[in-house]
Amino acid sequence: TQLLEQSPQFLSIQEGENLTVYCNSSSVFSSLQWYRQEPGEGPVLLVTVVTGGEVKKLKRLTFQFGDARKDSSLHITAAQPGDTGLYLCAGARNYGQNFVFGPGTRLSVLP
Amino acid sequence: EAGVAQSPRYKIIEKRQSVAFWCNPISGHATLYWYQQILGQGPKLLIQFQNNGVVDDSQLPKDRFSAERLKGVDSTLKIQPAKLEDSAVYLCASSSGQILSSYNSPLHFGNGTRLTVT
Repeated sequence: TQLLEQSPQFLSIQEGENLTVYCNSSSVFSSLQWYRQEPGEGPVLLVTVVTGGEVKKLKRLTFQFGDARKDSSLHITAAQPGDTGLYLCAGARNYGQNFVFGPGTRLSVLP
Repeated sequence: EAGVAQSPRYKIIEKRQSVAFWCNPISGHATLYWYQQILGQGPKLLIQFQNNGVVDDSQLPKDRFSAERLKGVDSTLKIQPAKLEDSAVYLCASSSGQILSSYNSPLHFGNGTRLTVT
């Protein structure tokens, strides 16, 4: 069983649309990270959230950490083809522990 | 700064053969990780080094996988003998943080080695 679940597994949308992807767990995390991975490349860190209820914005991307620190969401406004990729969340259950990755959401933004 | 370098980019071998992957982390990064990413899944940690010492190898299949980081810089990951289920992308990552602050230290990944076992 996965420690972290991500939904949806696949998402295909048109350029300009908004979308939200989710990362859920029954466990509490001390911190959670979101990465984007493009084909043939390694994951690239987008953000780290550490406080329950925390909201961080990165241009058109908005990240939220759930109040109970068991879940997180990533919202993209006005998606662009350059947003296409595999979005991975990774959580650390305790301070200093390694991050465990979810299976990812594969996003395709069509022009 | 130069990123994490990995080689080779692709490798195709037959089952029961051996294979080795090489990683050169970002200069000055003390922590090095090897991950296995099977198609359709997220990366799974195989082993973590802090300088040249092993911090976590609890998920490394030690009967066939081995890794070393002799001088605390470059690292190699070896599989011997390979099985069909070892087909995956092997990612190397490094970070600058010490263990106690690793949750704040971003992982910098290489582009991986795609292994196909036939």
